[in-house]
Amino acid sequence: AQSVTQLDSQVPVFEEAPVELRCNYSSSVSVYLFWYVQYPNQGLQLLLKYLSGSTLVESINGFEAEFNKSQTSFHLRKPSVHISDTAEYFCAVIGPGNTDKLIFGTGTRLQVFP
Amino acid sequence: NAGVMQNPRHLVRRRGQEARLRCSPMKGHSHVYWYRQLPEEGLKFMVYLQKENIIDESGMPKERFSAEFPKEGPSILRIQQVVRGDSAAYFCASSPGQGLSTEAFFGQGTRLTVV
Repeated sequence: AQSVTQLDSQVPVFEEAPVELRCNYSSSVSVYLFWYVQYPNQGLQLLLKYLSGSTLVESINGFEAEFNKSQTSFHLRKPSVHISDTAEYFCAVIGPGNTDKLIFGTGTRLQVFP
Repeated sequence: NAGVMQNPRHLVRRRGQEARLRCSPMKGHSHVYWYRQLPEEGLKFMVYLQKENIIDESGMPKERFSAEFPKEGPSILRIQQVVRGDSAAYFCASSPGQGLSTEAFFGQGTRLTVV
């Protein structure tokens, strides 16, 4: 079965520092990968996704993630974080079969300090 | 486009009562997913429905939980005889059709507290 691993449950970082949130998935013939962000007491918002094509995908607020097939990873990066980036970040993959359910990692809480 | 609407946002139930959670998909979306987020955990898939049909319920607990998506009206997740362990955030997502969950959008969730 498809699975997603987010090794870091919490990542504390100072404002304007770079950050990387790690995500690894179990291999599959074809895979769609996602990063979602959840602000406190809010729903999930899609941050970015990889479906095909360029392995580097970017969001409108400065985050980027690179699909690395050989390492089965999809790490999320930002060169300079803001206080407002404080949130829970979830990596997800489309599961097997034709029901297309998302399989989520356990999440990484990014805490940005001034 | 109002997006995926879930109500209520917060729901408090005593043990043994029933909880009904509603989800109205985005306009033009005919498929709905339900996920549960337990405290300090990620989201777990529960059920996938299209109108009048359950496509995949492999994530639903065997007892007390049911879901429907009628021809008219919102999708309903029903939990009978709630227990403390049912306390969680329940999220709904909708997509335009089968095989299109890459275009899914999530609602803001219903936070169920069982006291």
